[in-house]
Amino acid sequence: GAGVSQSPRYKVAKRGQDVALRCDPISGHVSLFWYQQALGQGPEFLTYFQNEAQLDKSGLPSDRFFAERPEGSVSTLKIQRTQQEDSAVYLCASSLGIFPGELFFGEGSRLTVL
Amino acid sequence: QQPVQSPQAVILREGEDAVINCSSSKALYSVHWYRQKHGEAPVFLMILLKGGEQKGHEKISASFNEKKQQSSLYLTASQLSYSGTYFCGTEMSSGRYDQGGKLIFGQGTELSVKP
Repeated sequence: GAGVSQSPRYKVAKRGQDVALRCDPISGHVSLFWYQQALGQGPEFLTYFQNEAQLDKSGLPSDRFFAERPEGSVSTLKIQRTQQEDSAVYLCASSLGIFPGELFFGEGSRLTVL
Repeated sequence: QQPVQSPQAVILREGEDAVINCSSSKALYSVHWYRQKHGEAPVFLMILLKGGEQKGHEKISASFNEKKQQSSLYLTASQLSYSGTYFCGTEMSSGRYDQGGKLIFGQGTELSVKP
């Protein structure tokens, strides 16, 4: 497809389980961002890649959160030992890498931790 | 560091106008505006770069006062399709190339347009 694709769209995890969320950006987009959006709130920055390099991970809430983009295309956000407070929509966005520029968002992965 | 948006929510009748404000305590390089409908991805509206710059998109326009570190989004003659949550995203002034277009978003303004 032409847009940013995220999977799974919905994920229910038991507390303590590990989850992996995938983002497939628009082809050719250099920059990739992960955001966390709690219900009724704005997206909160988690981390940013330029190609395969993770240039900013200042928003990752704990060392249970890990993101990678090994070949500079698809990215995975992994959350280990999930907690209830991790429940949120995780949004991925990509851009051409021309700054400033439009971010193209995926529809998000809604994570519910029971 | 998160910009503050006001109002938090607004209800309009079709054809009415609205203004959404975004204010930052930090010096800004750019301000971006996005609209998000329930359960959907945020969609880009516009970017403002310079102090006092105004941009337009259909009947939606915005201004950016760099000195006051504020931006306003103007919706005129609102349509039902304008309903959604509006977010401003701010990019802080920085000489570092690796800011990379990172945006910090406000908490959102929920706009409801009624027939």
